[in-house]
Amino acid sequence: NAGVTQTPKFRVLKTGQSMTLLCAQDMNHEYMYWYRQDPGMGLRLIHYSVGEGTTAKGEVPDGYNVSRLKKQNFLLGLESAAPSQTSVYFCASSFLGLAGADTQYFGPGTRLTVL
Amino acid sequence: GQNIDQPTEMTATEGAIVQINCTYQTSGFNGLFWYQQHAGEAPTFLSYNVLDGLEEKGRFSSFLSRSKGYSYLLLKELQMKDSASYLCAGLDSNYQLIWGAGTKLIIKP
Repeated sequence: NAGVTQTPKFRVLKTGQSMTLLCAQDMNHEYMYWYRQDPGMGLRLIHYSVGEGTTAKGEVPDGYNVSRLKKQNFLLGLESAAPSQTSVYFCASSFLGLAGADTQYFGPGTRLTVL
Repeated sequence: GQNIDQPTEMTATEGAIVQINCTYQTSGFNGLFWYQQHAGEAPTFLSYNVLDGLEEKGRFSSFLSRSKGYSYLLLKELQMKDSASYLCAGLDSNYQLIWGAGTKLIIKP
């Protein structure tokens, strides 16, 4: 049982390049989330999904897109990276999510630097 | 607006007790979470409170006062491995988490 995994762990991009971050969970959770974590700030929700085939905007969605084609996977895309997107990105999943209070399980994070 | 406030950094001594405070303002309230995050790692769940009072779990306890919009995490018998950031997060009426910036706890021998 691997829990939540993220690929890649580190990445350096140049401004304007694109990339996709992959998150996978093997706990059969319905809810999945993408957060970014910046120094001195709380985790900020980028996008989330309440089930396979669904996505919704979080607090800071601009510049990002997501897809949830399979229940176990949640992809985060940056179409044209900007230095302001330099951050640590965490994926998380939970069983209940918006249906009730539930623990979120986090992946190990992706450290992205945009030059 | 919604807001979670907690101290930026605290220092304590190995073997001692430390209390990390958190005040929250959320649109509605469905509970409060505490997570632990070691440097360079993912947050991991510590506790969840939705009713007033103290919940004890080994060396860690969490307290909630809904009328005061206040919670604290109490860590006893501190160990060096407790050096980490502690994240407070409130669950609003839509069951969305509002996260604090975290309290970095430094344990000294």
